[in-house]
Amino acid sequence: EAQVTQNPRYLITVTGKKLTVTCSQNMNHEYMSWYRQDPGLGLRQIYYSMNVEVTDKGDVPEGYKVSRKEKRNFPLILESPSPNQTSLYFCASSFGTGSRGYTFGSGTRLTVV
Amino acid sequence: QKEVEQNSGPLSVPEGAIASLNCTYSDRGSQSFFWYRQYSGKSPELIMSIYSNGDKEDGRFTAQLNKASQYVSLLIRDSQPSDSATYLCAVNIANTGNQFYFGTGTSLTVIP
Repeated sequence: EAQVTQNPRYLITVTGKKLTVTCSQNMNHEYMSWYRQDPGLGLRQIYYSMNVEVTDKGDVPEGYKVSRKEKRNFPLILESPSPNQTSLYFCASSFGTGSRGYTFGSGTRLTVV
Repeated sequence: QKEVEQNSGPLSVPEGAIASLNCTYSDRGSQSFFWYRQYSGKSPELIMSIYSNGDKEDGRFTAQLNKASQYVSLLIRDSQPSDSATYLCAVNIANTGNQFYFGTGTSLTVIP
């Protein structure tokens, strides 16, 4: 089944404790992206990647890191999480430059206390 | 000014009616336009994409794009209770590389 897989689905952590949210897609998509979704603010792009070893900042990159060492994987790293990073996170992928629209993962609900 | 704006709703329509959802965008360089449906607690699901002026129909859904007026709309004919969800408008703006901008969504309730 073609899908984008995120893990974990739910995560509660403490301020400052490094964490990684994994994202993997099995559709051979070139384009991958991370979003956070907050009430009243909608989906905001954190980082995106056009292909292996090619990443770029979205609208809200502060406090996040990403890497794209393999085409299928695009992990999101929070080096020192803070409470304002409590949010619902989505990974998404697409063919080409993303102009055909995304397939989204199931989401990761992160709470930083 | 936000790149993509939608009325947050909620929009309520009776079963069988036409639901009309609207979206405006600010950048005339926008190239690709999308409508996503998001059920509560779930991830967004792509339902329509449109790239040129005019209408595009897919089953009960019709997307309409007017680049001169900078708006894109989604019509849902014969609305069903299962259409109750939040609908997100998204645009790909060419001059920002490959960044996508989403509206905050319109909540639709179809009343049986």
